[in-house]
Amino acid sequence: DTAVSQTPKYLVTQMGNDKSIKCEQNLGHDTMYWYKQDSKKFLKIMFSYNNKELIINETVPNRFSPKSPDKAHLNLHINSLELGDSAVYFCASSQMGSPLHFGNGTRLTVT
Amino acid sequence: SQQGEEDPQALSIQEGENATMNCSYKTSINNLQWYRQNSGRGLVHLILIRSNEREKHSGRLRVTLDTSKKSSSLLITASRAADTASYFCATDAGESQGNLIFGKGTKLSVKP
Repeated sequence: DTAVSQTPKYLVTQMGNDKSIKCEQNLGHDTMYWYKQDSKKFLKIMFSYNNKELIINETVPNRFSPKSPDKAHLNLHINSLELGDSAVYFCASSQMGSPLHFGNGTRLTVT
Repeated sequence: SQQGEEDPQALSIQEGENATMNCSYKTSINNLQWYRQNSGRGLVHLILIRSNEREKHSGRLRVTLDTSKKSSSLLITASRAADTASYFCATDAGESQGNLIFGKGTKLSVKP
């Protein structure tokens, strides 16, 4: 029983393409997140989202957009991919005030 | 801006030895959390210490927090090869729920 699952695990694509990463959590948490981990292992929040509020890190380009069809899902859409978007993207979820539960990541490689 | 900074960046020890990792941060926090990341995997929460706590234990883990120095340490006692992983501290300043600010991590290698 995977608590936070994201697909695909690996994504290789060319510059300029549009891609999506899917995330689902079965923990009943009310908040979901997307984090980006760069090649130096630095982890940075991109978005947090619950039913009421989307909080966007102001440094995230508007080519990135989260879409939540329901409370258990938060997908990440990326338009016009650039070389610098190559990274590992992690989905996570939590209940208010509790630690985060992470998925196993999606390694995105833009060529 | 980045909040947490772990020290050292890398640590190599023998099985059975203790491992100590340090974390410094810049602003006031509600709590500080430690996570472990095995290679190719997501982060796993280890322990949370609140700003009004000074020390916390969980199994072989011991975490201390000094809010006056804005620093925390994670001690792993009697290390095992399975403890090999990267360890991250993350601070919760309470500005946005779950908006944890992570450090760059300490890569721990435990040799059998």
